[in-house]
Amino acid sequence: AQKITQTQPGMFVQEKEAVTLDCTYDTSDQSYGLFWYKQPSSGEMIFLIYQGSYDEQNATEGRYSLNFQKARKSANLVISASQLGDSAMYFCAMREVNTGNQFYFGTGTSLTVIP
Amino acid sequence: DTEVTQTPKHLVMGMTNKKSLKCEQHMGHRAMYWYKQKAKKPPELMFVYSYEKLSINESVPSRFSPECPNSSLLNLHLHALQPEDSALYLCASSQGAGLHRDTGELFFGEGSRLTVL
Repeated sequence: AQKITQTQPGMFVQEKEAVTLDCTYDTSDQSYGLFWYKQPSSGEMIFLIYQGSYDEQNATEGRYSLNFQKARKSANLVISASQLGDSAMYFCAMREVNTGNQFYFGTGTSLTVIP
Repeated sequence: DTEVTQTPKHLVMGMTNKKSLKCEQHMGHRAMYWYKQKAKKPPELMFVYSYEKLSINESVPSRFSPECPNSSLLNLHLHALQPEDSALYLCASSQGAGLHRDTGELFFGEGSRLTVL
């Protein structure tokens, strides 16, 4: 079974609008971390935001927020006030404490911001 | 600027060549990773070093040989590669995870784009 599922291969958003990128995960561990990364066409993977399994509040980092619904095992990324520079691939990832250094990545969502 | 440095940024090699990719970090991280990434696909884990010891090898062919000379450096030695090995090779590091840690994001380098002719 897939550990991380991203069901939106491609998304479009108008500049200055908000967009939600979906991510669901599968784990039986109680302790895990969820991450979102951005990868522009240049190739570098840029860390955006982190949510721990025990965090009760949704994580926020500037224009990025993570809509964490633990019971539904979802960790959607919300980007507010989209900018042209937000056009990139976005990957959701999970790290389970019991597997130590193993990160699981989703298949990614390609976001295009339209002027 | 990324705190994980990878060299070279681009590499073209023939199938009989021997080359190496290099990665360096000075954040004191104790876990270092090699990932392979094809276009429009997620990164695929190849190797993980934890405290300078190989802890994960994802059944990678022996034509890829990792080396961790010290806690700051990670190499990937390449020999007799195939054209299908052409990809972006990403190095990453993290603080390392024990059983009781659930944080520690991966810090990635900019990648080495490899073309095998």
